[in-house]
Amino acid sequence: LAKTTQPISMDSYEGQEVNITCSHNNIATNDYITWYQQFPSQGPRFIIQGYKTKVTNEVASLFIPADRKSSTLSLPRVSLSDTAVYYCLVVGGASKIIFGSGTRLSIRP
Amino acid sequence: EPEVTQTPSHQVTQMGQEVILRCVPISNHLYFYWYRQILGQKVEFLVSFYNNEISEKSEIFDDQFSVERPDGSNFTLKIRSTKLEDSAMYFCARQGEEYNEQFFGPGTRLTVL
Repeated sequence: LAKTTQPISMDSYEGQEVNITCSHNNIATNDYITWYQQFPSQGPRFIIQGYKTKVTNEVASLFIPADRKSSTLSLPRVSLSDTAVYYCLVVGGASKIIFGSGTRLSIRP
Repeated sequence: EPEVTQTPSHQVTQMGQEVILRCVPISNHLYFYWYRQILGQKVEFLVSFYNNEISEKSEIFDDQFSVERPDGSNFTLKIRSTKLEDSAMYFCARQGEEYNEQFFGPGTRLTVL
């Protein structure tokens, strides 16, 4: 399983765009980049997944450069309710998830 | 999104007692996982269960743990003799189909006294 590295914490303000970058230098050809969100005392929630270039859904965008050794999760116009831990994962298929410490995002008024 | 539900939401037990945590109801899904999260720590994989058999388990999942699907729908995690260090949130997850994502339940908070 490819190891990922992401910032331990980030702070931002309501209405701002937040970008969380993750590095995954050892990503394999068949791996996808996947992001989960976790609120306190809740289970992780799938946000977005991509293989290359850009993916956008109603929650976030995911930018992946051509070499796929890093990715950036972009949250547009964050609100207080976006305060959570965000996990960057590299997934090769239906298998266990090995969670890291994630990025603890704090949004301030 | 189809949700995974878990019962109970909270469980308090005495050390040495048996507890059974449940994912309910589950139908037409074959691939499940149990994870746990000790307060303030990472989410840890315990076991994966495919087509009514354990497919993979972690070092945490020792002889005190077992999983089964007794009636074809409920998916249970049993801890035979609980220890203080078993106190944690326990999450059940099912495998999704579109992105290989996993759908997590709300969790059971287990407190061992």
